[in-house]
Amino acid sequence: EAQVTQNPRYLITVTGKKLTVTCSQNMNHEYMSWYRQDPGLGLRQIYYSMNVEVTDKGDVPEGYKVSRKEKRNFPLILESPSPNQTSLYFCASSYPGQGRRELFFGEGSRLTVL
Amino acid sequence: SQQGEEDPQALSIQEGENATMNCSYKTSINNLQWYRQNSGRGLVHLILIRSNEREKHSGRLRVTLDTSKKSSSLLITASRAADTASYFCATADNFNKFYFGSGTKLNVKP
Repeated sequence: EAQVTQNPRYLITVTGKKLTVTCSQNMNHEYMSWYRQDPGLGLRQIYYSMNVEVTDKGDVPEGYKVSRKEKRNFPLILESPSPNQTSLYFCASSYPGQGRRELFFGEGSRLTVL
Repeated sequence: SQQGEEDPQALSIQEGENATMNCSYKTSINNLQWYRQNSGRGLVHLILIRSNEREKHSGRLRVTLDTSKKSSSLLITASRAADTASYFCATADNFNKFYFGSGTKLNVKP
């Protein structure tokens, strides 16, 4: 089954404790991206990656890091989480290019930073 | 910001009625897409319309795009209770960035 898998789905942590949210896709997609969703703000793009070893900042990259060492994985790293990073996070993947650009989303990771 | 805005923010209708949601965006686009999100779940792609298209249909969905007004609309005909969800428009630029609106929350009453 084609899917994007995120882990963990729920996490409560404390300020400053480094954490990683993993994302893996089995569709051989070249494009992967991370979003955060906050009430009233919709989804905002954090980082995206066009292919292995190629990453770019989205609209709200501050406080986050990403890496793309393998095509299927695109982890989101919070080096020193703060309460304003409490949010619902989504990973998504897609084929790049103009012909087919719909995003396939994971089920989300709800993060609370105390 | 290129972020789109949906209108209305919330919409409540009876089953069988049509639901229309609008989206406006700010800069030039490559394509515009509509997504659906059931409460707290991942978004699911509904339909994509390219910048050189004006209208597109998929089942009970009809999407229009007016690039001169930088706006799009999503029409769901003969709505069902199962259509209850939030709907988002998203635009993609030529630099592979996606921009989402804040969504329309649709409630279809049985």
